[in-house]
Amino acid sequence: LAKTTQPISMDSYEGQEVNITCSHNNIATNDYITWYQQFPSQGPRFIIQGYKTKVTNEVASLFIPADRKSSTLSLPRVSLSDTAVYYCLVVPSGSARQLTFGSGTQLTVLP
Amino acid sequence: DTGVSQNPRHKITKRGQNVTFRCDPISEHNRLYWYRQTLGQGPEFLTYFQNEAQLEKSRLLSDRFSAERPKGSFSTLEIQRTEQGDSAMYLCASSFDDVTARVTLSGETQYFGPGTRLLVL
Repeated sequence: LAKTTQPISMDSYEGQEVNITCSHNNIATNDYITWYQQFPSQGPRFIIQGYKTKVTNEVASLFIPADRKSSTLSLPRVSLSDTAVYYCLVVPSGSARQLTFGSGTQLTVLP
Repeated sequence: DTGVSQNPRHKITKRGQNVTFRCDPISEHNRLYWYRQTLGQGPEFLTYFQNEAQLEKSRLLSDRFSAERPKGSFSTLEIQRTEQGDSAMYLCASSFDDVTARVTLSGETQYFGPGTRLLVL
């Protein structure tokens, strides 16, 4: 499974756009890039998944360059409630059987 | 609420005691996973079930750990002779695997429960 590297922590202020970058140099052809969000004392929650270029949903956008060796999760106009740990995962297409989490990025949104 | 549920949410036990956790997955999901998460780390895979069959176990799952999923519905995770190192959050997740699909054009999405926090004194 491809290893991912992301910053340990980031701070932002309410209303700002936050971009969290993840590197996955050994990503395979059939791998998808997936982001999960986790609040304290809760299980991770799926945010977004993409294969290439750009994916957008009601929560976030995911930017993936052509070489797919990195990706950027973009959270528009964050609020205090976006304070959480964000995990970048590389997930093979089809049945992953297990997800491999790193340590994630602790995002703290300040007032 | 039709999400993944776990019980109990918290468990405090003394070293050497046995504990059992329960997970109720999303009803139509045929896959069920157990993960363990310690402070400051991401979840680590323990085991997973396809329906009632336990198909994979991590080396983290020592012989003191046993998981079952009778009838392919809810699952239990039992830890025997608990040790202080077993203190962690135990997470359950479920997903749907369309075994009839010839091609799957996305990575699997797993839906997590709130977890059971275990403290072994």
